[in-house]
Formats: sequence, C-alpha cells, structure tokens
Amino acid sequence: RKEVEQDPGPFNVPEGATVAFNCTYSNSASQSFFWYRQDCRKEPKLLMSVYSSGNEDGRFTAQLNRASQYISLLIRDSKLSDSATYLCVVNMGGFQKLVFGTGTRLLVSP
Amino acid sequence: DTAVSQTPKYLVTQMGNDKSIKCEQNLGHDTMYWYKQDSKKFLKIMFSYNNKELIINETVPNRFSPKSPDKAHLNLHINSLELGDSAVYFCASSQMDRGYEQYFGPGTRLTVT
Repeated sequence: RKEVEQDPGPFNVPEGATVAFNCTYSNSASQSFFWYRQDCRKEPKLLMSVYSSGNEDGRFTAQLNRASQYISLLIRDSKLSDSATYLCVVNMGGFQKLVFGTGTRLLVSP
Repeated sequence: DTAVSQTPKYLVTQMGNDKSIKCEQNLGHDTMYWYKQDSKKFLKIMFSYNNKELIINETVPNRFSPKSPDKAHLNLHINSLELGDSAVYFCASSQMDRGYEQYFGPGTRLTVT
C-alpha cells in the first residue's frame, strides 16, 4: 500500500464550481499534513497546512480526519487559475522528510 | 530574484555518461534537498543536507552522489547514467524548523538515451 494515496483525476469542473479532493495515508504515526500545488511543468509550491481542527484560507478549506487517516481539500468558487495538480503531503516527524502523493489534477473550464 | 535556481534546466545525455546538476538558494535556508519526479509524476525525496551535513539518504543507487560545498549550494553528481534515471530532478530548500515549507527550484529535466 502506498504511503499517501490520491485519486489522480482529472477533475473537470466549470468556473464557479466547488470541488473536493481526498487523500489517504497509511501510517498512523504521521504527524503533520500539507497540500502543495504543482502547475504543469513547474515546481511544487506549498498551498496550505492541514490542522486537526480544519483550516481555511480564502476559497480553500483543508480538513484532517485522523481516525480514518484521510485529509481533504475543498475549493469553492473555482477559478481558471486553480487548474493545477494538487499534491497531498504527509510528514512523519522531524519536518524534513515529506512524503508526497502522486497528485490530483484539476481542470477548471470557462 | 530567483530563490532556488538549478542548472542546467534540460540535460540530454547517453547511457553510461557522468553528469552533474547544480543548485543554489539565496533564501538563507539551512537545509537543502534533492527530489526525483518520475514519468508518473511521483515526487520522492533522495537526499537532504542541513548545514552541509547529510541528514536524509533514501534508498538511492550509489551512482548518485550529492555534495554540499556550503549551505547555499547542493549539487548532484550521477555516474554511469541509465535509462531509468530519466526524470525531473528538483532541488528544494527550507529552514530546519520549518522543513514542511520547502521552496523548490524549477527542476532539471534529465533524458538519458
């Protein structure tokens, strides 16, 4: 079983739609969780951290369910510029070693 | 100003050759990383250095040798290149205590023919 699993998509949504991605992780000892964004043929960039209580950053909401070992990302009012691959990232401790999922591709169309 | 830079951006070479990729960061970070992203887009850490000291060394063939001359630079030398080494190699940096916030370079697309 992969350490971090994501639906590769693509998720095709119209502008203005709400879309949600889930990610599951296998190691219950995982300590912290993040979402990174990677545009086509570009480098990954940190989008947001995921806290146990859930957290929101503008149109983006991240949630963590430790009992079920999954995290989610909700994007409201999708913009064309949201089209990218969203990488679920898990940290086992010590912060330096991040384990990346293979990403979920989002395509937002006019 | 480029925060994390890598050279070259593209590298096409034949099997059996030896090549190097260079990385520099001007963010003042103390930790640097090398990642490999394969054709299936799977991004996996290879090495990490903190203040020139190796702290993460994943299961990577001995043909790959990182070198950190100072904390702003981390180079990757690859001996006897193989077809399976074709991938995008990303350098990244962070502060040790904020290692989850990693800043990536633009990547080096290596093609081995």
